[in-house]
Amino acid sequence: GENVEQHPSTLSVQEGDSAVIKCTYSDSASNYFPWYKQELGKGPQLIIDIRSNVGEKKDQRIAVTLNKTAKHFSLHITETQPEDSAVYFCAASTITGGGNKLTFGTGTQLKVEL
Amino acid sequence: ETGVTQTPRHLVMGMTNKKSLKCEQHLGHNAMYWYKQSAKKPLELMFVYSLEERVENNSVPSRFSPECPNSSHLFLHLHTLQPEDSALYLCASSQDLWWDDRGKEQYFGPGTRLTVT
Repeated sequence: GENVEQHPSTLSVQEGDSAVIKCTYSDSASNYFPWYKQELGKGPQLIIDIRSNVGEKKDQRIAVTLNKTAKHFSLHITETQPEDSAVYFCAASTITGGGNKLTFGTGTQLKVEL
Repeated sequence: ETGVTQTPRHLVMGMTNKKSLKCEQHLGHNAMYWYKQSAKKPLELMFVYSLEERVENNSVPSRFSPECPNSSHLFLHLHTLQPEDSALYLCASSQDLWWDDRGKEQYFGPGTRLTVT
């Protein structure tokens, strides 16, 4: 089955700096890669996703890149703000129309310091 | 407030007990999910329901038994659990299944913190 590795497990940055979180996956058939943000006491929230037919996607200060050959994808947050502090999860899935599986990484605790 | 409620918020049970977790969504969504979140482990998607039908069962032990009597309610029945089942159990809903464009946005409840003694 799919295995998703996520690094780092904790990340501290100064406000205004960029943050990068990296994930690798094992199943070359994976074709959908969402990222979630989980604030304390709340459930995960989808913040951005990418499908395997594109290499990069941006949404304001957040971007995701995908390297299918190397089987890794990354989340980039620019101009970080204190409200970006949360746990971020990557996930990989194979969407085939049946038997779809969604596998998560172990999470990255991001702390944005003033 | 996400429109998804879960009860109870905290539960302590012995290994021989039987208990149930309840989830209710007020969003008119068609899909509902159970997740398990343990410390230092990846989030696990346990069960997926669409219009009251179970769509996915991701190799979850039979001591966890889901029930979806209608599209607004989802239960997770627990019996003879093990200490390693202690975790935060999250319920979520989405307009359609998570792999559809209209299902990507999942709304999560606050979770039930389960402790098995």
